[in-house]
Amino acid sequence: AQSVAQPEDQVNVAEGNPLTVKCTYSVSGNPYLFWYVQYPNRGLQFLLKYITGDNLVKGSYGFEAEFNKSQTSFHLKKPSALVSDSALYFCAVRAVSGTYKYIFGTGTRLKVLA
Amino acid sequence: DTEVTQTPKHLVMGMTNKKSLKCEQHMGHRAMYWYKQKAKKPPELMFVYSYEKLSINESVPSRFSPECPNSSLLNLHLHALQPEDSALYLCASSISGTTNEKLFFGSGTQLSVL
Repeated sequence: AQSVAQPEDQVNVAEGNPLTVKCTYSVSGNPYLFWYVQYPNRGLQFLLKYITGDNLVKGSYGFEAEFNKSQTSFHLKKPSALVSDSALYFCAVRAVSGTYKYIFGTGTRLKVLA
Repeated sequence: DTEVTQTPKHLVMGMTNKKSLKCEQHMGHRAMYWYKQKAKKPPELMFVYSYEKLSINESVPSRFSPECPNSSLLNLHLHALQPEDSALYLCASSISGTTNEKLFFGSGTQLSVL
């Protein structure tokens, strides 16, 4: 069965510091991996994805993520956090073959302090 | 047009009411989804339509009835809901099976059942 784990409910970081939001996954076969961000009372917005190729993926708003197959991880990173990055972040996985089923992690609330 | 449009944005209904949620996209996506999201929780998949046919039903109670009249439109008909059905209902669409794979979400309908 597919699953996604986000071990931290909340991450606090000072503005200007680097940030990391962690995600690990379990899926049979090669996964499609995604990060989405959600602002209050809004839908989810796509940040970036890993399908194949280079393990370091660059996305919107300066975010990037590193796919690590041996550790089954896909951590979200940004070199310098902004207060406006404060939001709820979801990691998601979809098995490559035969399904439209995306599984979301439990979410990590990022709080960037001025 | 890269938007998924959901109406209404807010809905309050009694337990005996019948109402419908509407979702529309004009990106040519052939997969459309309904998710339910409780506050500070991840989205939970309810239904997936692929090429206007119901592909996934995640054992959703029959008081929720999806409909896909055409490739651009997705409805969710609501009848005899319970207070615990109060949530944010998110529609999404995707191109599937390509390296452009990702979900596009609408802003959601905030539903309150009294």
